[in-house]
Amino acid sequence: GEDVEQSLFLSVREGDSSVINCTYTDSSSTYLYWYKQEPGAGLQLLTYIFSNMDMKQDQRLTVLLNKKDKHLSLRIADTQTGDSAIYFCAETPISGGYNKLIFGAGTRLAVHP
Amino acid sequence: EADIYQTPRYLVIGTGKKITLECSQTMGHDKMYWYQQDPGMELHLIHYSYGVNSTEKGDLSSESTVSRIRTEHFPLTLESARPSHTSQYLCASSGDRQTNYGYTFGSGTRLTVV
Repeated sequence: GEDVEQSLFLSVREGDSSVINCTYTDSSSTYLYWYKQEPGAGLQLLTYIFSNMDMKQDQRLTVLLNKKDKHLSLRIADTQTGDSAIYFCAETPISGGYNKLIFGAGTRLAVHP
Repeated sequence: EADIYQTPRYLVIGTGKKITLECSQTMGHDKMYWYQQDPGMELHLIHYSYGVNSTEKGDLSSESTVSRIRTEHFPLTLESARPSHTSQYLCASSGDRQTNYGYTFGSGTRLTVV
């Protein structure tokens, strides 16, 4: 079945890099996404990667995809206090006709001085 | 500006009342979704729609109902609210090639039933 797993918590010092990891089960997923949720808000699409790519970089964000191991990671360089939020990984399995996203449980990132 | 709107942002209501949570999007998206988010952060899909007059139940059983009479509007209704319905409700839409079919989310409605 479809499943996306993430570790629940990550704590980093301001200025360090953060790496949030995700594993998924459906190798047919075409797109994989990272969303950010700040307190009391909805989810905001941060970035996505197409399944035929290994890496995507967008300013401080780097997404790495290992299709063989079904592992996705999000690296945030020079982490700031404004990066404190919940980060969700999501995939689009073919079983949902690429219409339904399957979300992980979210990783709560805490940035401390 | 194209966006997705949810109202109200916060709602405190007594047990037994009927409530409707509103969701509207101005992006012309065909697909819309309702998620319930528990305090442990996890998102649960409760309803979705792939177009006008199309609605389906999601993965999590819910006593709520939805309708899709217009493309831009996807309201969620609870006929008789109970404390167990207390949660955050998030509406989303998709269909935009610019986001490669990722979802655009509203700001959510935090419902408290007392």
